[in-house]
Amino acid sequence: EDQVTQSPEALRLQEGESSSLNCSYTVSGLRGLFWYRQDPGKGPEFLFTLYSAGEEKEKERLKATLTKKESFLHITAPKPEDSATYLCAVQGSAGANSKLTFGKGITLSVRP
Amino acid sequence: KAGVTQTPRYLIKTRGQQVTLSCSPISGHRSVSWYQQTPGQGLQFLFEYFSETQRNKGNFPGRFSGRQFSNSRSEMNVSTLELGDSALYLCASRDGTGPYGYTFGSGTRLTVV
Repeated sequence: EDQVTQSPEALRLQEGESSSLNCSYTVSGLRGLFWYRQDPGKGPEFLFTLYSAGEEKEKERLKATLTKKESFLHITAPKPEDSATYLCAVQGSAGANSKLTFGKGITLSVRP
Repeated sequence: KAGVTQTPRYLIKTRGQQVTLSCSPISGHRSVSWYQQTPGQGLQFLFEYFSETQRNKGNFPGRFSGRQFSNSRSEMNVSTLELGDSALYLCASRDGTGPYGYTFGSGTRLTVV
């Protein structure tokens, strides 16, 4: 069974203080690893898809990286508007598996 | 381009009742998935439909069911509601069967009293 563990559960940063969010996973044949951002009362907003170890993707202050066991979401010089819950999910290739398995999420608070 | 639309946004039901939630995917997206989000369990997969056929189902009791129409719109139904069914129900759509990004709607907040 696919599993995703995110750490830490919560992270408080000062504005401008860079950090990384961790996502550890086990999956039968990785088809894709996804990062989402979720604001309170809203649905998850798609950020990145990573397909293979060594791949990196960037968007503004965010950079996602992937190894065979982990993914990191690096946040450079965060701003208060980056405060949200960040979700990691994997899609495996076992059988007719088309579902996403999510981690519990990391709640990020950025203080001005 | 309109996003994924879920209706209603909020719903309050009494234990034992049944409820139907609706999801309109992004135009052209044929795959629709449903997830339940709770503070304790996070997001959990309910089922996925593609071209009106259920392709995958999560570990939920038979009280949870769904369907997809020819225009790709989807509905999910929960019968004999329990207090533990209170959650945010999220619908997501995508335009193919590969590992592409799923686009989520804003969800339906169901409260069972």
